[in-house]
Amino acid sequence: DSGVTQTPKHLITATGQRVTLRCSPRSGDLSVYWYQQSLDQGLQFLIQYYNGEERAKGNILERFSAQQFPDLHSELNLSSLELGDSALYFCASSSGGFTSTDTQYFGPGTRLTVL
Amino acid sequence: KNQVEQSPQSLIILEGKNCTLQCNYTVSPFSNLRWYKQDTGRGPVSLTIMTFSENTKSNGRYTATLDADTKQSSLHITASQLSDSASYICVVTSPGEYSSASKIIFGSGTRLSIRP
Repeated sequence: DSGVTQTPKHLITATGQRVTLRCSPRSGDLSVYWYQQSLDQGLQFLIQYYNGEERAKGNILERFSAQQFPDLHSELNLSSLELGDSALYFCASSSGGFTSTDTQYFGPGTRLTVL
Repeated sequence: KNQVEQSPQSLIILEGKNCTLQCNYTVSPFSNLRWYKQDTGRGPVSLTIMTFSENTKSNGRYTATLDADTKQSSLHITASQLSDSASYICVVTSPGEYSSASKIIFGSGTRLSIRP
């Protein structure tokens, strides 16, 4: 158990819909990272927040958005869903910022299926 | 183009044997390089993290090396065990002056299978 929790574990929805994925970081960690893992694209970095502020943005689509709240939990919002958005979405947390060498601890992931 | 390439794509070895996985990158600027172990359907687990100035980092039976001049890294697994069967992923972090210039780039991984 990494200490990072993600809800829900599984999500099945239809094209065009909107979903919200939730992540609670390890106690004391200020950074939250979001990643997407699909069969054809592998793991991709989406976005990172540090203590509530966006610090790094990767391959995140405009249909996707995220935020980190004052209690440090984070949410990833996916809208106008397409079949290709079906993937495992991981959240990771670390104590330091983007370029720190602190260990990133990954959550168990949310499996999103878009039908 | 910023890329991270891993080889081989897959590898099968007998339990107890050693193996070495390779990672070449063209990412610039460079901040750090990480190796992860990922079991199917589960989140990656960190093995090692190295910065530009570090040549070697060990974590139990896992030893990673980094040559920042040639932009190559390797992960050596000693005395393999059945539980080492997993995907091993090389990841490079590249800092940027602004949010969208900062990158975390993943290799496609090496699928390692340990046979009894």
